[in-house]
Amino acid sequence: DAGVIQSPRHEVTEMGQEVTLRCKPISGHDYLFWYRQTMMRGLELLIYFNNNVPIDDSGMPEDRFSAKMPNASFSTLKIQPSEPRDSAVYFCASINSGGSRETQYFGPGTRLLVL
Amino acid sequence: DQQVKQNSPSLSVQEGRISILNCDYTNSMFDYFLWYKKYPAEGPTFLISISSIKDKNEDGRFTVFLNKSAKHLSLHIVPSQPGDSAVYFCAARRNGGSARQLTFGSGTQLTVLP
Repeated sequence: DAGVIQSPRHEVTEMGQEVTLRCKPISGHDYLFWYRQTMMRGLELLIYFNNNVPIDDSGMPEDRFSAKMPNASFSTLKIQPSEPRDSAVYFCASINSGGSRETQYFGPGTRLLVL
Repeated sequence: DQQVKQNSPSLSVQEGRISILNCDYTNSMFDYFLWYKKYPAEGPTFLISISSIKDKNEDGRFTVFLNKSAKHLSLHIVPSQPGDSAVYFCAARRNGGSARQLTFGSGTQLTVLP
């Protein structure tokens, strides 16, 4: 199993540009989570999906952030327009709710730097 | 309002000694607790968990203790090894319904000195 795959691993962009982060969950997992990690706030949940449907997006900072999951094997997190304060590491995670132990499996993260 | 708190941002211990990482929570609806370990440039990986019906869970060198009345849990690593040097996140999940989201603490950087 390849695990959760995220791309790109690193992204450097200028303020005002659109940024799209991508995630491929583990096959068969029915929940997908997007997190943001910063020094000040640690790991924050942004949004999560169940069977491709957004369940809770209360962690999304503002309207500049949007997330989609068009199918069970792909999700995107988009920031438009990006701002320097969006600089962070963004993680995607997935779980199989029918598994014997519900632990979230994380991808390697995307390190975003907005100049 | 942080519902899961790790008040020590860093901890250093000598190889072979015990490492104790602490975590406090405020939400009494949390019923399942987990510890994740994170190395640089990698995503967090699951380490050990405990249900609120237990007060201790052990897995090899790792033991998690839960004190529900104090809303406190701790992770003990004995003996500590240099490879244990990482950031450790405490996480909690609420009971009921289809909720699967975890609330994470801010993490504790553990450094095990050889």
